[in-house]
Amino acid sequence: DTEVTQTPKHLVMGMTNKKSLKCEQHMGHRAMYWYKQKAKKPPELMFVYSYEKLSINESVPSRFSPECPNSSLLNLHLHALQPEDSALYLCASSQVLRAKVYNEQFFGPGTRLTVL
Amino acid sequence: KNEVEQSPQNLTAQEGEFITINCSYSVGISALHWLQQHPGGGIVSLFMLSSGKKKHGRLIATINIQEKHSSLHITASHPRDSAVYICAAENSGGSNYKLTFGKGTLLTVNP
Repeated sequence: DTEVTQTPKHLVMGMTNKKSLKCEQHMGHRAMYWYKQKAKKPPELMFVYSYEKLSINESVPSRFSPECPNSSLLNLHLHALQPEDSALYLCASSQVLRAKVYNEQFFGPGTRLTVL
Repeated sequence: KNEVEQSPQNLTAQEGEFITINCSYSVGISALHWLQQHPGGGIVSLFMLSSGKKKHGRLIATINIQEKHSSLHITASHPRDSAVYICAAENSGGSNYKLTFGKGTLLTVNP
């Protein structure tokens, strides 16, 4: 199984809502990533988890809250978002997160988020 | 100036044509990735390479480390190849978690 799955595929939410995005992989990967992608732009890294611990936070606003409950799952909790947060949110995973060892990242299909 | 530059930004071809997309980078890398993204869709990793050449079906990727340049070739292009192709560099200095993405090349293959 070389697949990263994401749910939901589409999400529409108001600025006062609380919602969560989910990502799952069963490749035994120990590094998982959240990216944000605006239209016609390359992905921007948000968070990286390594062995279920948050390793990297790319100065993301606190209205985005990541969680890695186990090695296969990655969540992104959303609260009090702004319309400019509307984007495609991509999850990815790779074998490990280690310097001088390059890791192919496997991407999920993304969740298209619209904030009204 | 972006550390990873792709050309062309847009490319339109007729079915069957040979396609080349170029990528130049200014940083030291441990690996270079070629990714494919269909409109509104997720990203698929096509190749990860650090030297030489890789081939998968009709797709070929090459890299010249000395010249800091990589190319993605598509032979016998087909309308289903229409997508955005993204080059991404994995920096060799420090942590390797962060990919530096090019802006992408939008390929349209007409029947």
